[in-house]
Amino acid sequence: LAKTTQPISMDSYEGQEVNITCSHNNIATNDYITWYQQFPSQGPRFIIQGYKTKVTNEVASLFIPADRKSSTLSLPRVSLSDTAVYYCLVGDPNAGNNRKLIWGLGTSLAVNP
Amino acid sequence: NAGVTQTPKFQVLKTGQSMTLQCAQDMNHNSMYWYRQDPGMGLRLIYYSASEGTTDKGEVPNGYNVSRLNKREFSLRLESAAPSQTSVYFCASNRDPYSNQPQHFGDGTRLSIL
Repeated sequence: LAKTTQPISMDSYEGQEVNITCSHNNIATNDYITWYQQFPSQGPRFIIQGYKTKVTNEVASLFIPADRKSSTLSLPRVSLSDTAVYYCLVGDPNAGNNRKLIWGLGTSLAVNP
Repeated sequence: NAGVTQTPKFQVLKTGQSMTLQCAQDMNHNSMYWYRQDPGMGLRLIYYSASEGTTDKGEVPNGYNVSRLNKREFSLRLESAAPSQTSVYFCASNRDPYSNQPQHFGDGTRLSIL
């Protein structure tokens, strides 16, 4: 199974860059890496997705090394509103054609003033 | 821009009562999912529907049933609620489960069973 491992929690300050690394040793060849953000009392929200190298959007950047066994979500200049839980997901390589994502506990990011 | 809508937002049940959680999406997605989220457990997949007319078990299906009423709606039923089913339930949808399309989530139903 494509299990992911992330730090349980991280602390940062407003204006800093935050990097959250996720390990996924059993990632399948065709799997993408997807990151979600979840605020209290809300459902998870898609942030960014990538397959290899680097992906950037208006919210974050995603860095994926050549072996794809890990990925790093980078949040530039965080603000208090970035305090949330961040989840890293990859597809289940044993699921065949049916995609069954495995959700870990995520990383709880606290941004301090 | 409703996205995924879940009803009700909160519910308290007594042990043994039945309940149906409703979910509807307006994005013309083929696939829909039901998850539960418990402290210290992360999200766990209960059931999913790859397309209208099909449903499949996820990681924790026991004690639940689902109905894919049409392309828009996917309901989750607890026939005889148990305290172990106290949780936050999320519905999600995406284009299909055969690609890596991101899932869109509702804001959850908070269910307490006494």
